[in-house]
Amino acid sequence: RKEVEQDPGPFNVPEGATVAFNCTYSNSASQSFFWYRQDCRKEPKLLMSVYSSGNEDGRFTAQLNRASQYISLLIRDSKLSDSATYLCVVKSNFGNEKLTFGTGTRLTIIP
Amino acid sequence: NAGVTQTPKFQVLKTGQSMTLQCAQDMNHNSMYWYRQDPGMGLRLIYYSASEGTTDKGEVPNGYNVSRLNKREFSLRLESAAPSQTSVYFCASSERWDRNYNEQFFGPGTRLTVL
Repeated sequence: RKEVEQDPGPFNVPEGATVAFNCTYSNSASQSFFWYRQDCRKEPKLLMSVYSSGNEDGRFTAQLNRASQYISLLIRDSKLSDSATYLCVVKSNFGNEKLTFGTGTRLTIIP
Repeated sequence: NAGVTQTPKFQVLKTGQSMTLQCAQDMNHNSMYWYRQDPGMGLRLIYYSASEGTTDKGEVPNGYNVSRLNKREFSLRLESAAPSQTSVYFCASSERWDRNYNEQFFGPGTRLTVL
């Protein structure tokens, strides 16, 4: 079983719609969680960290469910510029800065 | 600030050739990383360096060597390239500012093809 699993998509969503992605992780000792965004043929960039209480950044909301070991990302009022691949990322060990990346979920916003 | 820079951007090698991928960061970060990204596999860690003078193997180190030349620079060497090393290579750096959270900053990548 992969350490971090995501639905690869693609998700094709009309502009203005709400879309949600889930990600599951296998290591219950995982401590930190992130969503990264990767545009086509570009490098990954941090979108947001995921806190235990859930957190929101504008149109983006991230949630963590430790009991079920999944992380979610909700995008409201989607824009054409949201088209990208979204990577779920987990850090498992205290004192160790290594990250484990999911394979990504591809999102295309349709005009 | 340029952030993380990588050279070259593209490279084509023949099987058995060697090459070094260069990476430099100007953010004064202690930690640096090399990843490869393949379709359907996600980003996989090749080697990392927690600080100047130290390097450790990641998930897929076979066929690669690294050098942490100084705090700024971290190079990746392929001694004898194989077609299985065709991939996109990303360098990244980070600095722990909170024991729970860690953002990695990535370079633009090197697209390597081995024929």
